[in-house]
Amino acid sequence: GAVVSQHPSWVICKSGTSVKIECRSLDFQATTMFWYRQFPKQSLMLMATSNEGSKATYEQGVEKDKFLINHASLTLSTLTVTSAHPEDSSFYICSASSGPKADTQYFGPGTRLTVL
Amino acid sequence: AQKITQTQPGMFVQEKEAVTLDCTYDTSDQSYGLFWYKQPSSGEMIFLIYQGSYDEQNATEGRYSLNFQKARKSANLVISASQLGDSAMYFCAMREGSARQLTFGSGTQLTVLP
Repeated sequence: GAVVSQHPSWVICKSGTSVKIECRSLDFQATTMFWYRQFPKQSLMLMATSNEGSKATYEQGVEKDKFLINHASLTLSTLTVTSAHPEDSSFYICSASSGPKADTQYFGPGTRLTVL
Repeated sequence: AQKITQTQPGMFVQEKEAVTLDCTYDTSDQSYGLFWYKQPSSGEMIFLIYQGSYDEQNATEGRYSLNFQKARKSANLVISASQLGDSAMYFCAMREGSARQLTFGSGTQLTVLP
C-alpha cells in the first residue's frame, strides 16, 4: 500500500516552455501533497504544500506564479513549471499523506527536469 | 540553527555488519515525529522508520531500529546485518507539532563494502 507515482520520470525542454508534472496517490486518498526540489548531492527542500480543493501554501522564496500547483482531486496534484529556464533544472519529488494527522509521507519516484 | 543535523556526509560499512547513522534535532515543540528515509541512486525516497516524541519504546522495522534519546535530542538509525543493497543516501527528517511539513537533514551517503 501507500504507492505514489509521478509522471514523467524525466523531461527535457527548451527554455521558455512550460512543463507539467503529475503526482498521483494510487491506493489511498491524499488530503495533502507536498512538492520538493532536490539539487544534486543536496537535501530535499520543500517548495509547497498542496491541500485538495484549496490553494497551495508556498514556502518562502518559492515563486507561486512560476511553480503552479493544482490539487484538484484526492489522488492527483500537478506542478507546472512555467517559462522554464536552465536554473529550474532539478529533481522534483512529490509526497502524499492521508488525513490531517497522518504521520508518514510517501514519496513518488521523482521527476528529473532538464531545461536547455 | 539547523533543525535536523546529520554530521556524517559519508559512511562505509562492511557487509553483514551493523552501522549507526547519526541524527540530532532541534525543536521546542513537545509533540514531534522523526523519520528516516532511504534514497537510492534511482532517486525515490523510501520510508524506513518513524518515531513519535511520546513513544516510550524505540521503533524497530526489520533490520532498522531507531535509537531515540530524547534528552540528547538524537534519533540515530541503526541498520543491522548490512547488505549491499543498503548502499544509498539516508535522510533524517522531522515533523513538528501540528505541522505536516517535513524538515530534512543533509543526508548521509552509506556505502556497504563486500
